[in-house]
Amino acid sequence: DAGVIQSPRHEVTEMGQEVTLRCKPISGHNSLFWYRQTMMRGLELLIYFNNNVPIDDSGMPEDRFSAKMPNASFSTLKIQPSEPRDSAVYFCASSPGTGESYEQYFGPGTRLTVT
Amino acid sequence: AQKVTQAQTEISVVEKEDVTLDCVYETRDTTYYLFWYKQPPSGELVFLIRRNSFDEQNEISGRYSWNFQKSTSSFNFTITASQVVDSAVYFCALSENNAGNMLTFGGGTRLMVKP
Repeated sequence: DAGVIQSPRHEVTEMGQEVTLRCKPISGHNSLFWYRQTMMRGLELLIYFNNNVPIDDSGMPEDRFSAKMPNASFSTLKIQPSEPRDSAVYFCASSPGTGESYEQYFGPGTRLTVT
Repeated sequence: AQKVTQAQTEISVVEKEDVTLDCVYETRDTTYYLFWYKQPPSGELVFLIRRNSFDEQNEISGRYSWNFQKSTSSFNFTITASQVVDSAVYFCALSENNAGNMLTFGGGTRLMVKP
């Protein structure tokens, strides 16, 4: 079975450019999460969707960040405009079920470098 | 607010030694879930175990074992007869029942197993 798929795996962009990260969750999973990992701050939850609806976006750092989930099989995380401090590994994860805390399955991550 | 502390930032052992990774958590909920994830050098996050707050039985899976003690708010992870392939960063995480599936991660423990 395919796991969580993320693209691109690596992205290098210049400050000020728009960056779009993509995620395809595991089929049948109801919840989707975007995380950011940095050396300084560790793993941080950015936003969480349940049945395609954003539930908690309190972790989104600024208005420059936005996330969408137009359907059950696709989500995007967009940064516009990007800044060097956005450089990090961005993980997408999906989880089955609702009402109980199920394990999350992570994608391979997108390593973003903003110069 | 929920919090997870992994006091050991880095541990180094020689192959075949046993090693225990500590995890201490804080929560006000009576129903919560604890997780361990492994992040090998390749970067992906691999789910290892999920435990709910009502199940304090220790669990063993091959060389891995977990000790959950509510009295000390700890969920420690032991690797028996460590191997070089166990070298990774290990994360402990907590999810409160009223927080949906949102995970709060500890800072991680980097385990280095030397041949």
